[in-house]
Amino acid sequence: AQKVTQAQTEISVVEKEDVTLDCVYETRDTTYYLFWYKQPPSGELVFLIRRNSFDEQNEISGRYSWNFQKSTSSFNFTITASQVVDSAVYFCALSDTGRRALTFGSGTRLQVQP
Amino acid sequence: EAQVTQNPRYLITVTGKKLTVTCSQNMNHEYMSWYRQDPGLGLRQIYYSMNVEVTDKGDVPEGYKVSRKEKRNFPLILESPSPNQTSLYFCASSPRGAPDTQYFGPGTRLTVL
Repeated sequence: AQKVTQAQTEISVVEKEDVTLDCVYETRDTTYYLFWYKQPPSGELVFLIRRNSFDEQNEISGRYSWNFQKSTSSFNFTITASQVVDSAVYFCALSDTGRRALTFGSGTRLQVQP
Repeated sequence: EAQVTQNPRYLITVTGKKLTVTCSQNMNHEYMSWYRQDPGLGLRQIYYSMNVEVTDKGDVPEGYKVSRKEKRNFPLILESPSPNQTSLYFCASSPRGAPDTQYFGPGTRLTVL
């Protein structure tokens, strides 16, 4: 069975600090996809990134970066120079090619204080 | 604009009163799903559909029904809602070529009293 663990329930930082959100996953599949979604206070789910299991290159998009380490089954998300607008719940999710669903972690609530 | 729409966005109802939450997508996607989001549990899949007239159970299907008579619509039906179905519900759709890349609707917040 697939499983995604986001051990950090809530993180509070001050604006301009860097913050890393952890994600650890379990799957028996060799081909799978990993995702991060952002859920701002308004409630919608905002897609951030999709990464397949064969691509272990780290990715950077502006202030966001992702570190995928297959050896430790982790897909961590770092926000550099955090801003108040980054305050949200962040979900890590996993999908394999056989299922038609995403397995979500329980989410990490990030509070960025001004 | 490519989107998934859900109606209603907010609903308060009473135990046992049948309700339907509608979901529609305009991207011609084959796959559609329903998820519920509960605190501390993330999102869990209720039902999914791989195409018209093809539906299957997800992880938490008890108490729900779905139908897929048209490609664009995938309504979620609660025949006899109970308080434990109070939750935030998301509909999602995805294309055949990338079934895992799901486009989510805005969510429906349901309260069952």
